[in-house]
Amino acid sequence: DGGITQSPKYLFRKEGQNVTLSCEQNLNHDAMYWYRQDPGQGLRLIYYSQIVNDFQKGDIAEGYSVSREKKESFPLTVTSAQKNPTAFYLCASTVGKGRGETQYFGPGTRLLVL
Amino acid sequence: GDSVTQMEGPVTLSEEAFLTINCTYTATGYPSLFWYVQYPGEGLQLLLKATKADDKGSNKGFEATYRKETTSFHLEKGSVQVSDSAVYFCALTQTDSNSGYALNFGKGTSLLVTP
Repeated sequence: DGGITQSPKYLFRKEGQNVTLSCEQNLNHDAMYWYRQDPGQGLRLIYYSQIVNDFQKGDIAEGYSVSREKKESFPLTVTSAQKNPTAFYLCASTVGKGRGETQYFGPGTRLLVL
Repeated sequence: GDSVTQMEGPVTLSEEAFLTINCTYTATGYPSLFWYVQYPGEGLQLLLKATKADDKGSNKGFEATYRKETTSFHLEKGSVQVSDSAVYFCALTQTDSNSGYALNFGKGTSLLVTP
């Protein structure tokens, strides 16, 4: 089946630790995005990438890093500099670069701090 | 910058009631508009979209019309079911192409439908 997979479903982070969230898509989509969702809030953009080996900061990029070495993969690292990482993280992708394109979302990863 | 405002929840309705969830937007350009639905513990699913003024998006009995004159995209359904209980997000594609056409979301409206 085609789609977006995120792993793990739950992730626990210890103080001072970097953790990496996986996002893979087999839809052959060009653009990929990472959003953060906090309770009672909408989604906020962390990073996005429109092509391989290129990515741009979103509204809340501080404390996060990404890479885009392959078209199908866009991992997000939550670094120790992110002081409030507890949230639900959603990855999305879209086939094109136009404003009318639909974004498809993965099932999400819930990050909790120990 | 662009922004989306949607009505606060939670909204509680009885089965077969009429649903309206209000959504208004502010945008400097000409955005595309979306409604996404999120079931507990899951990612977002596209419910419907509209890309130009007066377009009506529809899916699974839900409808929304792109109203440029009132900058609105209200979600409606004539008869809700228990299975419609979820959180609904209104969103727009940012008109600044430097943002990679990322989505700008409202805060979400929780809907609970009781039997």
